[in-house]
Amino acid sequence: TQTVSQSDAHVTVFEGDSVELRCNYSYGGSIYLSWYIQHHGRGLQFLLKYYSGNPVVQGVNGFKAEFSKSDSSFHLRKASVHWSDSAVYFCAVRMYNNNAPRFGAGTKLSVKP
Amino acid sequence: GPKVLQIPSHQIIDMGQMVTLNCDPVSNHLYFYWYKQILGQQMEFLVNFYNGKVMEKSKLFKDQFSVERPDGSYFTLKIQPTALEDSAVYFCASSLLQNQAPLFGEGTRLSVL
Repeated sequence: TQTVSQSDAHVTVFEGDSVELRCNYSYGGSIYLSWYIQHHGRGLQFLLKYYSGNPVVQGVNGFKAEFSKSDSSFHLRKASVHWSDSAVYFCAVRMYNNNAPRFGAGTKLSVKP
Repeated sequence: GPKVLQIPSHQIIDMGQMVTLNCDPVSNHLYFYWYKQILGQQMEFLVNFYNGKVMEKSKLFKDQFSVERPDGSYFTLKIQPTALEDSAVYFCASSLLQNQAPLFGEGTRLSVL
């Protein structure tokens, strides 16, 4: 069974700051990793995903994530956040050619002006 | 772009009654999912569905739950009978391919009184 862990429940930064949202997974096989964003009261919006190849994947709105097999991580980063980036961010893992994505507990990002 | 539609956005029912949550997935998608989220917290996997069959279900998918998509129409989640702990926001998602990141709807808030 794969698991995904988001160690930070809440991250607060100022507009223009860089941010890193952490995601660690535990699974030994081939997996898909993805990040979603959920604004308050809305559904999940897909940001980016990784399966193979370049470990750094670019997403929408300046987000990128880096896969590290040695650290079992897939952290999300943005160089300069905007107040509209305030939302809950979910990391998800899915086994290759099998079941549905499983989500972490989410990290609430608050961007102060 | 393509959207997954969930109507209505909020349903209120009395405990013990039956409820059907409707999802209108993207028209050419083949894989369908239901997730449950309580109080904006973790997105919990319930079930995924393909080719008229349940592919996988979690422990949260109780015997009182069922899913179907008759003749390519709505993908539905039925709960019969409902319990107080079924109160949550239910998200539907769909994808064309199994390894594709699902596209999520805006959710239906179910309030069981």
